[in-house]
Amino acid sequence: ETGVTQSPTHLIKTRGQQVTLRCSSQSGHNTVSWYQQALGQGPQFIFQYYREEENGRGNFPPRFSGLQFPNYSSELNVNALELDDSALYLCASSEPGQANTEAFFGQGTRLTVV
Amino acid sequence: AQSVTQLGSHVSVSEGALVLLRCNYSSSVPPYLFWYVQYPNQGLQLLLKYTTGATLVKGINGFEAEFKKSETSFHLTKPSAHMSDAAEYFCAVTGLKAAGNKLTFGGGTRVLVKP
Repeated sequence: ETGVTQSPTHLIKTRGQQVTLRCSSQSGHNTVSWYQQALGQGPQFIFQYYREEENGRGNFPPRFSGLQFPNYSSELNVNALELDDSALYLCASSEPGQANTEAFFGQGTRLTVV
Repeated sequence: AQSVTQLGSHVSVSEGALVLLRCNYSSSVPPYLFWYVQYPNQGLQLLLKYTTGATLVKGINGFEAEFKKSETSFHLTKPSAHMSDAAEYFCAVTGLKAAGNKLTFGGGTRVLVKP
C-alpha cells in the first residue's frame, strides 16, 4: 500500500511568484486536505477536496487555490507569494467518512519565499 | 468555533520518566480528539484518537490519553520515556458535525528526552 507522497520536498520562490505543490493520496482514499505549518506552530487547515470538489475551506485568502484530479491526487496553488507564506505544507488523505476518520499525512513540502 | 491549547511548548524528561503532555479544547459540543506525533522532517503520524465510548484511549508506542469532559482536557501520557519519543506532539480536534475530518491543531509541544 502506497502512502501519501508530496512533491517537491523543498523549494525556494521569490515574493510575487506563483507555486504549485503536488500530492498523491494513499490508495483507496478520495479525500485530500491541505495544511500550512509555519515554523514553531501547529498545522492550519487550508482546504479539503472530496471527489474533485472543494469540501470546506479554512481562513486563507483566495490566492490559495486547489484542484483534485480523477485519480484523487491534488494540487495546491499559491499566487502572489508573500514572505509569510514560507512554511511546511502538509497534505493528508483519508477515506470518505465522518469527522473521526483518520487522516494520513505526507512528509510535506518546505516552501521558502525570499 | 473550536480551539486547542497545549500547555508548554517544550517539555524535557529523563529517559524512563513519565511523559505528560497537556491539551485543553474549547468546543460547544464534545468533539473528536486526536494526538499526532511529528518527527524531524516528517509528516504527522496518528498516536491515538477519542471518538465515543471509553474515555481512556490507548495508542501506539505505549502512549495513552484520557478524555475528561468536565475539564475539557485530553492529556497524553506515557509511563516511561524512551529516547525515540523525542519529537513534537500535536493535539487536534474535529467537530461532530464537521463534514469530513478537518482538524484544528494546537501549537504543539516539543519533547526532549535526556539520557
